[in-house]
Amino acid sequence: DGGITQSPKYLFRKEGQNVTLSCEQNLNHDAMYWYRQDPGQGLRLIYYSQIVNDFQKGDIAEGYSVSREKKESFPLTVTSAQKNPTAFYLCASKVTVNQPQHFGDGTRLSIL
Amino acid sequence: AQKVTQAQTEISVVEKEDVTLDCVYETRDTTYYLFWYKQPPSGELVFLIRRNSFDEQNEISGRYSWNFQKSTSSFNFTITASQVVDSAVYFCALSISGSARQLTFGSGTQLTVLP
Repeated sequence: DGGITQSPKYLFRKEGQNVTLSCEQNLNHDAMYWYRQDPGQGLRLIYYSQIVNDFQKGDIAEGYSVSREKKESFPLTVTSAQKNPTAFYLCASKVTVNQPQHFGDGTRLSIL
Repeated sequence: AQKVTQAQTEISVVEKEDVTLDCVYETRDTTYYLFWYKQPPSGELVFLIRRNSFDEQNEISGRYSWNFQKSTSSFNFTITASQVVDSAVYFCALSISGSARQLTFGSGTQLTVLP
């Protein structure tokens, strides 16, 4: 089945540690996105990528980094510079502009 | 800048009642798209509908219907004869035509349907 796979489902980070969230899609979509969701709030854009080897900052990119070496993959690294990383992270993709984004199941990140 | 407001933070209804979720948006662009997504307790966002700014026809899909009114910048969502499985957080979102950048989301409405 085509879809977006995020892993792991739950992740714990220690102080000063970088962690990487995986996002893989087999929908052949060009654009991919990372969002952060805090309790009771909507989604906020962290980074997005329209093509391989290119990505742009969203509204809350500080403390995060991404790469887009393959069309299918868009991993997100939460660095130690992100002082409040506890949140639900959602990855999305879409085939082209004006089309709806399709979302993965999310990764819940917590601090140990 | 774009903004989406979902003033209803939480709504509780009893099964079989009708319920309307409100969405008001702000944009200076004349061509844009509006979306509704459902987020069940499992967490993933499920796409429900997309509507472009030139199409003000109401849409019905089973128990779901959407009322788009440009005059009031609203895109409201009604569930008829609600069911327990409708319990979820519902998000309204806006994107500007031609923009690959992002969706602007409202803060969501938590709908609880009681048996």
